[in-house]
Amino acid sequence: LAKTTQPISMDSYEGQEVNITCSHNNIATNDYITWYQQFPSQGPRFIIQGYKTKVTNEVASLFIPADRKSSTLSLPRVSLSDTAVYYCLVGDGIYNAGNNRKLIWGLGTSLAVNP
Amino acid sequence: DAMVIQNPRYQVTQFGKPVTLSCSQTLNHNVMYWYQQKSSQAPKLLFHYYDKDFNNEADTPDNFQSRRPNTSFCFLDIRSPGLGDTAMYLCATSRAPTADTQYFGPGTRLTVL
Repeated sequence: LAKTTQPISMDSYEGQEVNITCSHNNIATNDYITWYQQFPSQGPRFIIQGYKTKVTNEVASLFIPADRKSSTLSLPRVSLSDTAVYYCLVGDGIYNAGNNRKLIWGLGTSLAVNP
Repeated sequence: DAMVIQNPRYQVTQFGKPVTLSCSQTLNHNVMYWYQQKSSQAPKLLFHYYDKDFNNEADTPDNFQSRRPNTSFCFLDIRSPGLGDTAMYLCATSRAPTADTQYFGPGTRLTVL
């Protein structure tokens, strides 16, 4: 059964780069990797998505090695407002009507950014 | 701004008393999802609609039902809430039912007494 594993918590300081790694050893060929950020009492918010190699947007980078069994979310120069829970999600890239969606959420990494 | 709206934000109900949670979207997305998120846990997908096609997760209790009368609205009905159903219920949308960004609403925090 597919499973995603990520650290329960991480601590950092303002201005530092933070890397959060997610393990997904059983990822399937058609699966994508997505990261979400969640603040208390809010819904998750999309950060970045990738399939392989490296993806970068205005807020983060996502590194995926060739075997795709892990992925690393990189947050450059974090600030206090980046304190949140970060979820790794492995999801299917093919739709099969009537079948369950494959959306494997990690348990989340609680990131604390200190002054 | 286009968004996903959930009502109410907070709901308290009694054990066994049916409750309905509402979700609406202005994104015109084809897919709408309902998740259950308990304290300090990851969201758990209950079911989703792709247009009118309903897809129920295998482990979603029969106590949970959903309706999607049109593209914009989706409802979560809990027929006989139990204490274990106390949780945050999140609605999300996406354009496509595959690897696509999900846009989440703020959630409804349900407390069953």
